[in-house]
Amino acid sequence: NFMLTQPHSVSESPGKTVTISCTGSSGSIASNYVQWYQQRPGSAPTTVIYEDNQRPSGVPDRFSGSIDSSSNSASLTISGLKTEDEADYYCQSYDSSAVVFGGGTKLTVL
Amino acid sequence: EVQLVESGGGLVQPGGSLRLSCAASGFTFSSYWMHWVRQAPGKGLVWVSRINSDGSSTSYADSVKGRFTISRDNAKNTLYLQMNSLRAEDTAVYYCARGATVTPWYFDLWGRGTLVTVSS
Repeated sequence: NFMLTQPHSVSESPGKTVTISCTGSSGSIASNYVQWYQQRPGSAPTTVIYEDNQRPSGVPDRFSGSIDSSSNSASLTISGLKTEDEADYYCQSYDSSAVVFGGGTKLTVL
Repeated sequence: EVQLVESGGGLVQPGGSLRLSCAASGFTFSSYWMHWVRQAPGKGLVWVSRINSDGSSTSYADSVKGRFTISRDNAKNTLYLQMNSLRAEDTAVYYCARGATVTPWYFDLWGRGTLVTVSS
């Protein structure tokens, strides 16, 4: 079964840039779109990146997404970190019949 | 307002059943695929099931196949999840989510979730 692997946690200081990786277990991660969701404690997830690198309206351009086929991975990059960016982040993709989430990455902005 | 509102969660004994509902408003419900996603306490997001726009096609995660049934009533703008033979590991917040327009295998709208607790 197709799986997505994320680091359990990352931390960085306000104003800095952080990148969260999401590595596919098999096949090509570029075959299907990758999405990124932000989830703050006690709240439902919200989309910060869809279709690999698209931002929904209202999401600041500090958030960007990319695909690296050579490493079979997707990345979420957040620049100019703010304390409000502290949250859990999940990558998500799909195969022929199911949706797959990464295990989630806890971002701490300290 | 475009929104999804889940209901029907609660405490149920192992082996019991529960039916979740998700009321949609503010958009043409019958045009969209719909999904259920769950999150156990302190754990990550896990996809549960999906249904296409007219209800003719469904799919399930292996962990719930044969026990859960997804359905929809487009006349009532409501999505359902019938959960049978519940286990302790089914304890989670259950979210309904709308499939995106271009590719329905990801989500562009989420509900706030409803908590299901399976315990004796």
